[in-house]
Amino acid sequence: SAVISQKPSRDICQRGTSLTIQCQVDSQVTMMFWYRQQPGQSLTLIATANQGSEATYESGFVIDKFPISRPNLTFSTLTVSNMSPEDSSIYLCSVGWEGEKLFFGSGTQLSVL
Amino acid sequence: GENVEQHPSTLSVQEGDSAVIKCTYSDSASNYFPWYKQELGKRPQLIIDIRSNVGEKKDQRIAVTLNKTAKHFSLHITETQPEDSAVYFCAAGISGYSTLTFGKGTMLLVSP
Repeated sequence: SAVISQKPSRDICQRGTSLTIQCQVDSQVTMMFWYRQQPGQSLTLIATANQGSEATYESGFVIDKFPISRPNLTFSTLTVSNMSPEDSSIYLCSVGWEGEKLFFGSGTQLSVL
Repeated sequence: GENVEQHPSTLSVQEGDSAVIKCTYSDSASNYFPWYKQELGKRPQLIIDIRSNVGEKKDQRIAVTLNKTAKHFSLHITETQPEDSAVYFCAAGISGYSTLTFGKGTMLLVSP
């Protein structure tokens, strides 16, 4: 499987600010995704990060709030914009492997005050 | 879209006992069913998966069974150990697409 590095690992932010999370993979992958895990909850897909085109967002998530970049096959960023306390969550980068297996980065624990 | 239900939400067992976690899915197009283990503060880790052309798969102390007709699948852990304590998530998806729908998770506590 791929080695997936994510940073920052955690951050505490003020409401109204934005945070950009970076995800680096040690090999080229076609499929990259961003998930959110609210405290004590399951994993919810935010969007699929498409290389060279706009990300595909799931219902309930919009580009203005969660802009995503995917400049190449090994790197992606997720920005959480105009943050509120409700955005406090763990954000996980993930990559698809061998067609369907999904592997996760170490996650970014975000707290918004 | 797909909906995955997972039960129980919490499960406490004694070391050495077996543990069973059950999931149901709604979309008959789903044909790939992985299970993830997430220890506290760690990332979810893929522990076993099964495709719809197989009814059962085993890997040492863990096994997964699938009933495609009834749209349910289960995780079985035998001879549980304290290090099995974690949250377990089931998921369903379509082979080749890597987008998964997750269940709400089961917190498994194995007491020595």
